[in-house]
Amino acid sequence: KAGVTQTPRYLIKTRGQQVTLSCSPISGHRSVSWYQQTPGQGLQFLFEYFSETQRNKGNFPGRFSGRQFSNSRSEMNVSTLELGDSALYLCASSLPLTSGSDTGELFFGEGSRLTVL
Amino acid sequence: DQQVKQNSPSLSVQEGRISILNCDYTNSMFDYFLWYKKYPAEGPTFLISISSIKDKNEDGRFTVFLNKSAKHLSLHIVPSQPGDSAVYFCAASEGGKLIFGQGTELSVKP
Repeated sequence: KAGVTQTPRYLIKTRGQQVTLSCSPISGHRSVSWYQQTPGQGLQFLFEYFSETQRNKGNFPGRFSGRQFSNSRSEMNVSTLELGDSALYLCASSLPLTSGSDTGELFFGEGSRLTVL
Repeated sequence: DQQVKQNSPSLSVQEGRISILNCDYTNSMFDYFLWYKKYPAEGPTFLISISSIKDKNEDGRFTVFLNKSAKHLSLHIVPSQPGDSAVYFCAASEGGKLIFGQGTELSVKP
């Protein structure tokens, strides 16, 4: 079956702009998580959505937001971009833990690489 | 505060030898631990996991060891192959949220 799809794959923005990234999870997966990857920081958890509700949130400022639609597709938005927001943004989908997928294994997309100039 | 730490940013190993990647954590409430592998320009892919009630899980060339008293886990790859060269992330699960370490870049030389 198709994997996690993220669009766009690459984008360049300037400081102060805003950006919206999109993620389509694996069919049947209802949980979508977003991570930011930067050199030296690893994967930093942004937020997780399940059934259109934000279930978990990481330690990022309010400029980072997200939402999930009824078809489980998710978007994340970053407003008032800063140079430090340049990173690879990864989306991952999973079956919810209560479904019997007891490892919480995530299936990642290839990411959206954002460069802020 | 980094709850999951991989203190070695890089590791170089000769082909055929053992690769040992280490990970430390601080939160005793983590119930699952996972290892992911990441190649450049690709998303991380799941490698192997271990429940907090076990101390070892093996899958082919990959074995994960968990030492709960030391809050330490390790990934052993035996024998190492050049195709194993990638960044390896350990992750810990709590309530559906995965916390990742910073990653260790493994280089396996022929």
